[in-house]
Amino acid sequence: EVLLVESGGGLVQPGGSLRLSCAASGFAFRNYSMNWVRQAPGKGLEWISYISSSITTKYYAESVKGRFTISRDNGKSSLYLQMSGLRDEDTAVYYCAREYDGGDYYLLDFWGRGALVSVSS
Amino acid sequence: QPVLTQPPSSSASPGESARLTCTLSSDINVKNYNIYWFQQKPGSPPRFLVYYYSDSDKGLGSGVPSRFSGAKDTSANTGILLISGLQSEDEADYYCLLWATTAWVFGGGTKLTVL
Repeated sequence: EVLLVESGGGLVQPGGSLRLSCAASGFAFRNYSMNWVRQAPGKGLEWISYISSSITTKYYAESVKGRFTISRDNGKSSLYLQMSGLRDEDTAVYYCAREYDGGDYYLLDFWGRGALVSVSS
Repeated sequence: QPVLTQPPSSSASPGESARLTCTLSSDINVKNYNIYWFQQKPGSPPRFLVYYYSDSDKGLGSGVPSRFSGAKDTSANTGILLISGLQSEDEADYYCLLWATTAWVFGGGTKLTVL
């Protein structure tokens, strides 16, 4: 069974930092690209970052570029999101999502249950 | 970055069909993209439903009933999610998604109410 479990969320002050983790199991983690997607309270989904299986390629949404860093440890089957310079508008549930490569299509096929990050003074 | 526009809400009665739309900004052409659809219920992560490129290139998520299907209206530059035989359990938020070379782009979501 594919499982993605996020951890590391919590309350942080504006300007602070936080590191999210996503522990993967039930599949060959090193063979899959991964993504972070967030959802502010009562709002829609917002993609924020991508990392390739080989770690050679990383992409970021403009809203987090320069403040957030995505990384992964294939030996530990884990995905990370280092967040710094946090702002009120970063308050959201953060999901990690596996990206399936179907050849001529890609797909965010499995998602974790999310970790809540609250930015407030 | 392209923009995907979804109506904020839609409603239909049980047994009827629902047609949810996702209109792409004019800088991109729906003909060239896989359009993905997700369902999200309160307190749960999104669930992949379908992807649609063409009638010969489409797919359904694992365990997703065949009542869900995708389509395109190329004249309106729009991706479409079709749900037939609506059930009360279909009441949820629905999001469209596409891959725009270096980023995934979500639509704003449509809240579907099954009356």
